Amino acid sequence: EAGVAQSPRYKIIEKRQSVAFWCNPISGHATLYWYQQILGQGPKLLIQFQNNGVVDDSQLPKDRFSAERLKGVDSTLKIQPAKLEDSAVYLCASSPGAGGHTDTQYFGPGTRLTVL
Amino acid sequence: GQNIDQPTEMTATEGAIVQINCTYQTSGFNGLFWYQQHAGEAPTFLSYNVLDGLEEKGRFSSFLSRSKGYSYLLLKELQMKDSASYLCALMDSNYQLIWGAGTKLIIKP
Repeated sequence: EAGVAQSPRYKIIEKRQSVAFWCNPISGHATLYWYQQILGQGPKLLIQFQNNGVVDDSQLPKDRFSAERLKGVDSTLKIQPAKLEDSAVYLCASSPGAGGHTDTQYFGPGTRLTVL
Repeated sequence: GQNIDQPTEMTATEGAIVQINCTYQTSGFNGLFWYQQHAGEAPTFLSYNVLDGLEEKGRFSSFLSRSKGYSYLLLKELQMKDSASYLCALMDSNYQLIWGAGTKLIIKP
């Protein structure tokens, strides 16, 4: 079974530029998550989709971050414009169910973003 | 709100046993997860506890005490490949995962 795919793996941009990340979850997984993981910290949930609907985006900085999952499969996360503090690893995860307590999350390899 | 505490770093010897503790405060609880994360890689699921007690899975075991807000991950017969960060995460009343900062485990020969 193929895992969660993410691209690019690494991205270096200058502040105020824009960047987009792509995620392809495990086939058939209903729920998709985007996390931000700053070095030395645990992941922080940015947004959770169930199929193509948003379940939780309370921690997404909506003035600069946006995400979509148009057909309930792939997802993109965009930052526009980027700030220095956005330097982090952006992890995508998916789970087969609706995100309940028995719904194990499977993570992709992440995209390491460096903002200069 | 929620708060999760775990040690920043631990060192152990190959072949030995190590216990990584996690304490938490939360108003809603739907279980506690442990994930392993090798440097530069994604977290991978290790264990899930929702009831008090010990869950054993090969060399790894996880324990939960809900009344004490306490969990630990026990790793036996340590191998060099166990060098990684171990993340404790609790699932809150909204079924969201709240993550600790992780414990970096260093295994020495």
